[in-house]
Amino acid sequence: GENVEQHPSTLSVQEGDSAVIKCTYSDSASNYFPWYKQELGKRPQLIIDIRSNVGEKKDQRIAVTLNKTAKHFSLHITETQPEDSAVYFCAASISSGNEKLTFGTGTRLTIIP
Amino acid sequence: DGGITQSPKYLFRKEGQNVTLSCEQNLNHDAMYWYRQDPGQGLRLIYYSQIVNDFQKGDIAEGYSVSREKKESFPLTVTSAQKNPTAFYLCASRDTNYNEQFFGPGTRLTVL
Repeated sequence: GENVEQHPSTLSVQEGDSAVIKCTYSDSASNYFPWYKQELGKRPQLIIDIRSNVGEKKDQRIAVTLNKTAKHFSLHITETQPEDSAVYFCAASISSGNEKLTFGTGTRLTIIP
Repeated sequence: DGGITQSPKYLFRKEGQNVTLSCEQNLNHDAMYWYRQDPGQGLRLIYYSQIVNDFQKGDIAEGYSVSREKKESFPLTVTSAQKNPTAFYLCASRDTNYNEQFFGPGTRLTVL
């Protein structure tokens, strides 16, 4: 089955700097890659996603890039703010109807004021 | 975020007892999912259901059971066969026309 690896497990950046979180996946058939943000004690929420027919997607300060050949995708957060502090999870799935997501192990991002 | 509820928020049980976690949604979603979250391990899929009266095992189904008698409800039973049941349990649902899964607030189960 699919295996998703995520790095780093923890990341601290100065407020205003950029943060990058990287994930690799094993199943070349995977074609949907969401990123979820989970604040302390709260539910995961989708912040951005990308399909395999697209190489990059942006939404304000957040962007995701996908390299299908290398089977890795990354989350980029620019101009970080204190409210960006959270745990971020990447995931991968094959859009075959059941959308079984395989998650990475998470990255705890801390923004230093 | 609204539309998916899980109850209770915290649950304590003695070892050897079965316990059922509730998940309800009023989003009219066909698909529902149960995940287990442990520190440092991300979210792991326990069971999922694409339609009423049908469900499939996920990656870590041993020691768990589910039912899907109604579209709105997907309860998860943690049985005494589950070796390490203490964890945070998250339910999610999805409109099958889209990819996004919406999560409930979770139930933290502690087995004493």
